This record gives sequence, C-alpha cells and structure tokens, in this order.
Amino acid sequence: DIQMTQSPSSLSASVGDTVTITCRASQNINTYLNWYRQKPGKAPELLIYAASTLQSGVPSRFSGRGSGTDFTLTIRSLQPEDFATYYCQQTYSTSDTFGQGTKLDFK
Amino acid sequence: QVTLRESGPALVKPTQTLTLTCTFSGFSLSTSGMCVSWIRQPPGKALEWLARIRWDDGKYYSTSLKTRLTISRAPYPDQVVLIMTDVDPADTATYYCARGAAAPGTFDFWGQGTLVTVSS
Repeated sequence: DIQMTQSPSSLSASVGDTVTITCRASQNINTYLNWYRQKPGKAPELLIYAASTLQSGVPSRFSGRGSGTDFTLTIRSLQPEDFATYYCQQTYSTSDTFGQGTKLDFK
Repeated sequence: QVTLRESGPALVKPTQTLTLTCTFSGFSLSTSGMCVSWIRQPPGKALEWLARIRWDDGKYYSTSLKTRLTISRAPYPDQVVLIMTDVDPADTATYYCARGAAAPGTFDFWGQGTLVTVSS
C-alpha cells in the first residue's frame, strides 16, 4: 500500500494566522491527492481534490499544491472553525490511504 | 439533496460478524462514475478506508482487511452493506459511509457515522 505521511502531527496557531501542512507519499501519486478537515465529533469534509482544486463551497483561504510525492495544504487567515484535524488521502491506487492527521489547535 | 446514513449494532462480541448498512438518497449508484465507500476511525485515531463499490458493481477492499470484508448493494431502498467477519476489539471505531462522484476516492458527501464497540 502507498503510505502517506503528514507533518507536523500537531500545530498551534492563532486566528488570522497562515499555516501550511505537508503530506508526503511513499511513491509517485501524480496529483491524486485530497485534503479533508474534520471538526471534533463530526464527519470529515472535503476541502481540496486533485491536489489543488477547491471543492465547491469551500472558502478560498484554503489552497493546495504539489504533485508526485510532496503536497501542501495552506490555510490563510485562520478562522475559529479551522481549528480541527486535517487529513490527506491518496486515490492513485485502488486501495485508498489516509495520512495520520494534523491537529490544528489554538496557540 | 445527497444524504447518507449508517446503521448497525452499537455493540458486538469478539469473533462475531458485523453487518453495517448505508442508506443513501439524492443520487443513484447506477450512474456512471458513482461509488460508495466505507471508512472507519478508531477513537482518537486516523481515518482508515475499508471498501468501495462502484456503479458497475466493481468492488475494492483494503489490502489488510480484504479477507474479512464483503461489500454489496441493495437496490431498494438504495443501500450499501458492509459485512466484517471475525471482529476483534481493535475493530472498535466509528464507521462512515461516503459517496465518491468526481473520482472514486474523492468523498464529497459523508454520513454522520456510527460507533461500533467490540467487547465481550
């Protein structure tokens, strides 16, 4: 299976900050990479698909970049609802895999 | 309006078989490109993809769990069923079903999840 490694595992920030989360694949996955946000006690929400395409309805403060093995999710001007856990997911292979998650909390 | 809802037992005993049902509306699993997947999340841990069924009845499973999983569909009402055999306390998790439309693994709509505890 393709392994997905996120860094950092946790991150502290304040409202209004800009943060970047990194996701690395164990092999080339082209741009078959999605990002999700999961608020406590809720199902995940799709933010970005195909590495850089913003899902309909998702604020433009979210952006994604990368291809091959290295990807980033950047959140500009953090809002209170953004303090949550973020997951990357590869869909290159028929057996999807998620990263271990990055928890973003208040500084 | 797309909705998905998971249902199943809250508690199962070790070695038993777990049957989970995803009842969905607002889309047709017969539409080309459409898929429904199951994903789980142990308490405090990361998401784990389990299985997928496609519009053409293609079925895909997690490499590590494929010997224990069976995914199937029922046409009326619109449902997808996941069967997991020989459960263990390590299978305690919230189980989600989700729709993949733009691409098989791109989950644009999720159910609210159902917590399953495996304990004697």
